[in-house]
Amino acid sequence: EVQLVESGGGLVQPGGSLRLSCAASGFTFSSYAMSWVRQAPGKGLEWVSAISGSGGSTYYADSVKGRFTISRDNSKNTLYLQMNSLRAEDTAVYYCAKVMATPLEYYFDYWGQGTLVTVSS
Amino acid sequence: SYELTQPPSVSVSPGQTARITCSADALPKQYAYWYQQKPGQAPVLVIYKDSERPSGIPERFSGSSSGTTVTLTISGVQAEDEADYYCQSADSSGTYPVVFGGGTKLTVL
Repeated sequence: EVQLVESGGGLVQPGGSLRLSCAASGFTFSSYAMSWVRQAPGKGLEWVSAISGSGGSTYYADSVKGRFTISRDNSKNTLYLQMNSLRAEDTAVYYCAKVMATPLEYYFDYWGQGTLVTVSS
Repeated sequence: SYELTQPPSVSVSPGQTARITCSADALPKQYAYWYQQKPGQAPVLVIYKDSERPSGIPERFSGSSSGTTVTLTISGVQAEDEADYYCQSADSSGTYPVVFGGGTKLTVL
């Protein structure tokens, strides 16, 4: 059974930093791209970042480029999101998601339960 | 990048058929995917590759594509189907791999 468990969320002041983690199990972690998707309170889903299975390729939404860094440790089956220079508009539930990707397909077949990040003074 | 447009809300009575649309210029070149999200829960994939249903998803959920519009159809809607539904596609340009629609709130009257 695929399981994705996020951690690391919390309250942080504007300009601060936070690192999210996502522990994966139930599949061969290194064989799949992974992604972070966030949802601001009462709003829709917003794709944040993605990383290839090897970790060699990373992608970011314009809204977080230069501030967030996605990474993974395949030996620990863990995905990370380092968030720096946080802003109030980064307040959201952050979901970790397993990616199904081919040249013609790109979607999320499993999601974690999410971790809440609140940026406020 | 591009946008996916969904109606903000759809309402149906139990047992009726609900249809939720999602439109964009790039859809003919990319597959579309649908997620169901109930309050306080993570999204769940209900349709992939326009019309394929993952294992465990009830047969009343189906998807179709026509031109620049994809449609999620829920036949014989049940109270438990009340949720937000999001379409998603991928941009082949490589700079913005993933786009979500704004979401549709399905209300079962």
